Amino acid sequence: NAGVTQTPKFRVLKTGQSMTLLCAQDMNHEYMYWYRQDPGMGLRLIHYSVGEGTTAKGEVPDGYNVSRLKKQNFLLGLESAAPSQTSVYFCASSPRDASYNEQFFGPGTRLTVL
Amino acid sequence: SQQGEEDPQALSIQEGENATMNCSYKTSINNLQWYRQNSGRGLVHLILIRSNEREKHSGRLRVTLDTSKKSSSLLITASRAADTASYFCATAGNTGFQKLVFGTGTRLLVSP
Repeated sequence: NAGVTQTPKFRVLKTGQSMTLLCAQDMNHEYMYWYRQDPGMGLRLIHYSVGEGTTAKGEVPDGYNVSRLKKQNFLLGLESAAPSQTSVYFCASSPRDASYNEQFFGPGTRLTVL
Repeated sequence: SQQGEEDPQALSIQEGENATMNCSYKTSINNLQWYRQNSGRGLVHLILIRSNEREKHSGRLRVTLDTSKKSSSLLITASRAADTASYFCATAGNTGFQKLVFGTGTRLLVSP
């Protein structure tokens, strides 16, 4: 099992450009999450999904959109990138919500917006 | 907003010594989880302790939870250079759908 994978690993964008980050999991998990991690801070939840076809806002959703068309994939989109979105992005998945289970994390995508 | 706050922010020890990290949180929880993050990598789950548990062990790890003080500690015994990483606590609340809320982390450096 590959677990949780993320594509790409690194990306540099110019302000105003758009991009999509792809997260895939092969553990048949219902729940998937997108976090961002900034220096000196813990992870902050951007968006999450409790199942195929569902999405919900997390703590810092502004400037991001997500889609969960297939159970194994969770996409994070930046429509018009801003320097404030320079960060490391992590995807995670879990069988159930946090009151039951731990989360499994991908290796991260390092995004720089110039 | 951050739920958990770790203390200390950074810790430097020698191999063989014990490392203790503390986490404080603000609201009632269902469980508290500890994760490790090696430099440039994703987070790896270490241990989950539920609100009705006081202590839990996993190999060289010992976690305690004091819900009256809203605090937890992670003890790594006989540390190794490979334990060098950042350690995060994360809390799950106890009403409705639960998400994890992460603390700011403790950076542990274990020198040979």
